[in-house]
Amino acid sequence: AQTVTQSQPEMSVQEAETVTLSCTYDTSESDYYLFWYKQPPSRQMILVIRQEAYKQQNATENRFSVNFQKAAKSFSLKISDSQLGDAAMYFCAYRSARSNFGNEKLTFGTGTRLTIIP
Amino acid sequence: DTGVSQNPRHKITKRGQNVTFRCDPISEHNRLYWYRQTLGQGPEFLTYFQNEAQLEKSRLLSDRFSAERPKGSFSTLEIQRTEQGDSAMYLCASSFGRLYEQYFGPGTRLTVT
Repeated sequence: AQTVTQSQPEMSVQEAETVTLSCTYDTSESDYYLFWYKQPPSRQMILVIRQEAYKQQNATENRFSVNFQKAAKSFSLKISDSQLGDAAMYFCAYRSARSNFGNEKLTFGTGTRLTIIP
Repeated sequence: DTGVSQNPRHKITKRGQNVTFRCDPISEHNRLYWYRQTLGQGPEFLTYFQNEAQLEKSRLLSDRFSAERPKGSFSTLEIQRTEQGDSAMYLCASSFGRLYEQYFGPGTRLTVT
C-alpha cells in the first residue's frame, strides 16, 4: 500500500517571501501521479499542481512549483511571492497510474497548515 | 458548470440514528468519489463509482455504510446506526475520466452526539 507523509504540521511565511512544503511518499510502483491540493478554511479543496512520475521536468503553475525527486520519493511544493490568499491547509496526494480497476483513489498526507504573515 | 455540490452542509444526529448525504457531481463527469476527513487528517478514500457501477470500496466502509449512484448521476451515502466515531467531514469528488483531475465538493460535516 502507498503512504504519503507530510512532516510539517504547520508553516508560516512572510507575505511576498518564498516557502517550501515537504512531502515524502512510499510506493513500489514506477508509474504514478503526485498532487498538491489546497484547502482554504471552510472552503473546498482545489488542485494546485500535478506531476506525472514519468516526467523528469518539474511541474510549474505560476507562483507554484515542485521539486520532484523520484529516487528519493520526495515531492516538495515551493510557493513564491506568498500572498494572503495562499493561507490554507496543503495536502500532498498520490495516485497510481495503473489502468486496472481500483487504482483511482487519491492517498493523502496529513496536511500542512500554511499561515501568511502580513 | 456549478461545481460539485453536497447536501446538507452540516448534520447533527444522535448516536444510533441513520443519516443520508447527497452529492451532485459536475455534469458529464462519469466518476464519483467519496472520502472521509477527520480533524487533523487528510481525506481517506471510501468508495468510487464509474457511472452507476461501484468499482471499489475501502475497508473503512463498514457494513453500516452504503453508497449508491442510481442512473449514474447524483450519489447518496447512507450511514446506519451512527456512532460517535463517524463524526467527520464527508467529501465528494467527481472527474471526467480516470486520468482527469478530481474536483471536490464543499463536504458534509457530520456530528454524532
